[in-house]
Amino acid sequence: GESVGLHLPTLSVQEGDNSIINCAYSNSASDYFIWYKQESGKGPQFIIDIRSNMDKRQGQRVTVLLNKTVKHLSLQIAATQPGDSAVYFCAEKTNNNDMRFGAGTRLTVKP
Amino acid sequence: KAGVTQTPRYLIKTRGQQVTLSCSPISGHRSVSWYQQTPGQGLQFLFEYFSETQRNKGNFPGRFSGRQFSNSRSEMNVSTLELGDSALYLCASSLAAGSSYEQYFGPGTRLTVT
Repeated sequence: GESVGLHLPTLSVQEGDNSIINCAYSNSASDYFIWYKQESGKGPQFIIDIRSNMDKRQGQRVTVLLNKTVKHLSLQIAATQPGDSAVYFCAEKTNNNDMRFGAGTRLTVKP
Repeated sequence: KAGVTQTPRYLIKTRGQQVTLSCSPISGHRSVSWYQQTPGQGLQFLFEYFSETQRNKGNFPGRFSGRQFSNSRSEMNVSTLELGDSALYLCASSLAAGSSYEQYFGPGTRLTVT
């Protein structure tokens, strides 16, 4: 899990395993959620998004799950590869139309 | 298609000075948003511009300002710099404003205030 503005949680997985990164968002009125990946020295890169009228969305090797009841978002990465090592952020678009980001989770993939 | 570009990439300023950062969005993108990223506070939204108008503003003091030009390029300005303004400033562009449009981030400008 992660806390906005505090420490950076870490997740270490073995290459080929599945990764699950969690995020708790703050505003029950938020209607749009995004996962970003940020590698060292680069800006965040869009991975996948989901709207509040959905509870699951799949991309290539990634799945986002949304549980509005407990305001929880997760990112699942299948068959994690060394190139997946990065910091992953969730973001919510609030009813004021501004973006709020989680603190991020650092994913390390061990070969 | 070229990505979002930000200049300069690195900048060192002293307290009390002012700074202007520049962002060129992806060609055809009309919305530009600015973010501040620090180890302590993470990524925080500064403001969003669309068609030369500020559409939305985050919770930052008035020392932080921005503008957008007719070609969609954007600048942000920070006046009377403080040590706490040291951060990575990220710009993101999208086709239009609102949540329907994917944002593409630039590499950021690393500002150090001494």
